[in-house]
Amino acid sequence: QSVLTQPPSASGTPGQRVTISCSGGSSNIGSNYVYWYQQLPGTAPKLLIFRNNLRPSGVPDRFSGSTSGTSASLAISGLRSEDEADYYCAAWDDSLRGVLFGGGTKLTVL
Amino acid sequence: QITLKESGPTLVKPTQTLTLTCTFSGFSLTTSGVGVGWIRQPPGKALDWLALIYWDDDKRYSPSLKSRLTITKDTSKNRVVLTMTNVDPMDTATYYCVYSVQEVAGTSFDYWGRGTLVTVSS
Repeated sequence: QSVLTQPPSASGTPGQRVTISCSGGSSNIGSNYVYWYQQLPGTAPKLLIFRNNLRPSGVPDRFSGSTSGTSASLAISGLRSEDEADYYCAAWDDSLRGVLFGGGTKLTVL
Repeated sequence: QITLKESGPTLVKPTQTLTLTCTFSGFSLTTSGVGVGWIRQPPGKALDWLALIYWDDDKRYSPSLKSRLTITKDTSKNRVVLTMTNVDPMDTATYYCVYSVQEVAGTSFDYWGRGTLVTVSS
């Protein structure tokens, strides 16, 4: 069972804005960076957001990250069919001295 | 261009030791702040971080698997090896090798290999 909690599913129609939450604790999200990874069907995950809200080169600005206390969110605006994927949050945990992943959220574009 | 490729057996028997090799290019594991890690994903399930080794030979392991894992590096051959002892069918998963950047308050997995599926079965 993941210590970082994500909703198992999310959905939206093309053009909509959707958000995916990631809830943690003081030893992980509350004191360390949050990262988001996108996993398209049948492929390896890809870094989407780093240091809470920064995008690697090539990631559209439709994707944005934010944090507040011990929670984080990934927002996707102008939803497209190609955004249909699994999304994972991750953070270092000071107590466990290791990386935690959320359970993943499957995004469906209706 | 950074690339990573996993190699190892596709089928392992329960109680055996699994050895996976990550061969990489495009970076050096002697560069400050750089690391290579392993992450697995059981079929249909979430990502599960296993281990990390950094440029200075600092090693980090998943607390739940620490007693079964060993990660080593060979900088001259651009390789990182992960061994997992006493495997169980629950260890059946796709195993990914990742390029990691160590930061003050976290670690990012910037590049991923394509993954290798390992099945544990008698």
